[in-house]
Amino acid sequence: KAGVTQTPRYLIKTRGQQVTLSCSPISGHRSVSWYQQTPGQGLQFLFEYFSETQRNKGNFPGRFSGRQFSNSRSEMNVSTLELGDSALYLCASSLALFRESSYNEQFFGPGTRLTVL
Amino acid sequence: AQKVTQAQTEISVVEKEDVTLDCVYETRDTTYYLFWYKQPPSGELVFLIRRNSFDEQNEISGRYSWNFQKSTSSFNFTITASQVVDSAVYFCALSEARGAQKLVFGQGTRLTINP
Repeated sequence: KAGVTQTPRYLIKTRGQQVTLSCSPISGHRSVSWYQQTPGQGLQFLFEYFSETQRNKGNFPGRFSGRQFSNSRSEMNVSTLELGDSALYLCASSLALFRESSYNEQFFGPGTRLTVL
Repeated sequence: AQKVTQAQTEISVVEKEDVTLDCVYETRDTTYYLFWYKQPPSGELVFLIRRNSFDEQNEISGRYSWNFQKSTSSFNFTITASQVVDSAVYFCALSEARGAQKLVFGQGTRLTINP
């Protein structure tokens, strides 16, 4: 079974630009979560999508947004990039059979490393 | 609010030594989940273990063992007879049952096993 894939793996942008990152979950997984990892703040939850709806959201400004498609693939977008947005962005998918179920294990992708110059 | 503290930023030991990684958590919920993840240099987080708040039984998996104590809000991880391949950053994480897919991570412990 293929794992979680993220594209691109590396990205360099300049301040003020916008960026879109993509995540393809494991086949059959309906929940996709996004995390940001930086040396200063560590691993922080961005948001989670389930069946094309945002189900949970972390404490990030509105410049960070996401969406999920009917095939469960997800994209996250960051507009008006700032230097502090440089980070490893990790995507995780889980089975989440029932919308209100208890925890389902999350499988992480390799991440997209974004550098903002 | 939830919080996970990994007080050890870096640990360096010689191969074959035993090493314990500490994790202390805070939550107001009575139902929650605790995790350990390993992050090798490649960057991908690798799941190691999950524990729910009602299961305080310790677990052993090969050279790995976990000690969960609700009384002290701790979920410590021990590697016995460490190997160079164990070198990685290890994260402890917490999740509330109702916001179940949201993980709150500790700052991580960088473990270096020297040959």
